[in-house]
Amino acid sequence: QVQLQESGPGLVKPSGTLSLTCGVSGGSLSSSNWWNWVRQPPGKGLEWIGEIYHRGSTNYNPSLKSRVTISLDKSKNQFSLKLSSVTAADTAMYYCASGRMADGMDVWGQGTTVTVSS
Amino acid sequence: QSVLTQPPSVSAAPGQKVTISCSGSSSNIGNNYVSWYQQLPGTAPKLLIYDNNKRPSGIPDRFSGSKSGTSATLGITGLQTGDEADYYCGTWDNSLNGVFGGGTKLTVL
Repeated sequence: QVQLQESGPGLVKPSGTLSLTCGVSGGSLSSSNWWNWVRQPPGKGLEWIGEIYHRGSTNYNPSLKSRVTISLDKSKNQFSLKLSSVTAADTAMYYCASGRMADGMDVWGQGTTVTVSS
Repeated sequence: QSVLTQPPSVSAAPGQKVTISCSGSSSNIGNNYVSWYQQLPGTAPKLLIYDNNKRPSGIPDRFSGSKSGTSATLGITGLQTGDEADYYCGTWDNSLNGVFGGGTKLTVL
């Protein structure tokens, strides 16, 4: 069974770049699958950030597209999220997940909290 | 404001049945599969239903899903106190975007 684990800085300064990594264990990033990032601001609902296919194709939330990059590192069996020009509105719990919004994301990481503050 | 509309809260007594609605449009629910997620307090979301009405292995048949037109419904029978959670619907939008509902808080009285 695939397991996912997020990692990265818990505090990012305003106007900086948020960088997170999702480690994949129990399976290969190169399997036929999509890999996602989802976030949840404190006390609010879920927001899909974007997805990447194992071959590198990406789709991003239009509201974040200009600031988001999702990439793969197959040598480390992990995928990453970069979100630039962050503000306090980007403070949230960030989750990585496998699967697709189109037919269900079946495996989720435990999440990592990111706070944007000076 | 979420693309998919869910009631903010629902409640029912233990042992009873509850339904949670999710309303969208032809660009999302109307032409794509719907999935449902359960988020227990302080935990990551968990897939409950995929492809409108299929249950992943390990999800009890007390949970069911259906879809009609541009709306979907999650049903939970035999309510237990452990079902108290936030429930989210999700689907794909034809603008190449994943979308969630705003979430529904279930209270088991």
